[in-house]
Amino acid sequence: QVQLQESGPGLVKPSQTLSLTCTVSGGSISSGSYYWSWIRQPAGKGLEWIGRIYTSGSTNYNPSLKSRVTISVDTSKNQFSLKLSSVTAADTAVYYCARDEYYGDSLGLFYWGQGTLVTVSS
Amino acid sequence: AIQMTQSPSSLSASVGDRVTITCRASQGIRNDLGWYQQKPGKAPKLLIYAASSLQSGVPSRFSGSGSGTDFTLTISSLQPEDFATYYCLQDYNYRTFGQGTKVEIK
Repeated sequence: QVQLQESGPGLVKPSQTLSLTCTVSGGSISSGSYYWSWIRQPAGKGLEWIGRIYTSGSTNYNPSLKSRVTISVDTSKNQFSLKLSSVTAADTAVYYCARDEYYGDSLGLFYWGQGTLVTVSS
Repeated sequence: AIQMTQSPSSLSASVGDRVTITCRASQGIRNDLGWYQQKPGKAPKLLIYAASSLQSGVPSRFSGSGSGTDFTLTISSLQPEDFATYYCLQDYNYRTFGQGTKVEIK
């Protein structure tokens, strides 16, 4: 059973860089054809896709966040990470990591972490 | 970027009601669309992928349809555990979520 767990600071100061890690258990992050993804959700609002990294290491980002986002993978630790620079209060949200996998030709986010709240405040 | 317009934003329904939620894409996305259910404080759960394929373990009262730009999620007989927020998510070009539909008890 694959499990994902987010970790990182719950409080980040404005203009600083938000850094989160997702630890994957129950399977190797470097095997299979998966996209390892980040999604966020401000309190009381909808879901926003941030970006993903493929098993091969290629990345895709939400165009609205692209200039500030970096997603990377550490296969030795079975983890992938999110860095979001120059944060403001608008980046306050619950951040989820998830695994995007193919169902035939289509993708589905089946495995999710429980989410971690990150607050941007001085 | 592909925009996903979901409607309604909320609805009130009773147990046993048939519920329909729609999602419209700003351009054709073939059948590259999924539906997710989210309950308060929990991660979303995949219900439907490829517009109409039911994820394993999801009750058959959930169904999806559509192709191109217009998609529908239907709950044939609403159950107490179905009161939640539902999101569509396109996977034609990267990923974009709809704004969500909150299904509340009438």
